[in-house]
Amino acid sequence: GAGVSQTPSNKVTEKGKYVELRCDPISGHTALYWYRQSLGQGPEFLIYFQGTGAADDSGLPNDRFFAVRPEGSVSTLKIQRTERGDSAVYLCASSLGQGNTGELFFGEGSRLTVL
Amino acid sequence: SQKIEQNSEALNIQEGKTATLTCNYTNYSPAYLQWYRQDPGRGPVFLLLIRENEKEKRKERLKVTFDTTLKQSLFHITASQPADSATYLCALEHSSASKIIFGSGTRLSIRP
Repeated sequence: GAGVSQTPSNKVTEKGKYVELRCDPISGHTALYWYRQSLGQGPEFLIYFQGTGAADDSGLPNDRFFAVRPEGSVSTLKIQRTERGDSAVYLCASSLGQGNTGELFFGEGSRLTVL
Repeated sequence: SQKIEQNSEALNIQEGKTATLTCNYTNYSPAYLQWYRQDPGRGPVFLLLIRENEKEKRKERLKVTFDTTLKQSLFHITASQPADSATYLCALEHSSASKIIFGSGTRLSIRP
């Protein structure tokens, strides 16, 4: 499809389990962002890739969170030892990258529930 | 500290009136500012971008202003319709060619 695709759309897991969330950006978009959004809040920045490298990972809350983008396209957000506080919608967005306007194209999000 | 602030209270407007939403920021010097619309259960959708050297930008019934002295952007929807009901988010670059960060959003409700 032409848009940003995120899978799974919903994930329910138990506390302490490992979770992977996948993002397939728009073809040709070099920049990829991960955000986390809780109910009634704006998207909270987690990490930003320019190509294969993480240009800024200052938003990752702790070392249980990790993201990769090995070929500069698909990205995976990995959460180890999940906690109930990790429950949120995880949004991925892509854009054309540096030198452009920065307009972000978002996926529909992956809703994570940690029981 | 750096902050982006939007009206935290929901805004309720009568259909046909102009809705005005506010975005204030502190300790940033963004080259541009963006506005997005978000519907429940969906990802945000880009609406408008305004650059630091532009005072005003229009797109159909939408108008955005950007005052870099006041560090404020106003987002207007004229002739509002119930279909305009959504949460509206402002966003800006943290610093040059850097991450884009969002305000908390304002929920707008247009009543018939």
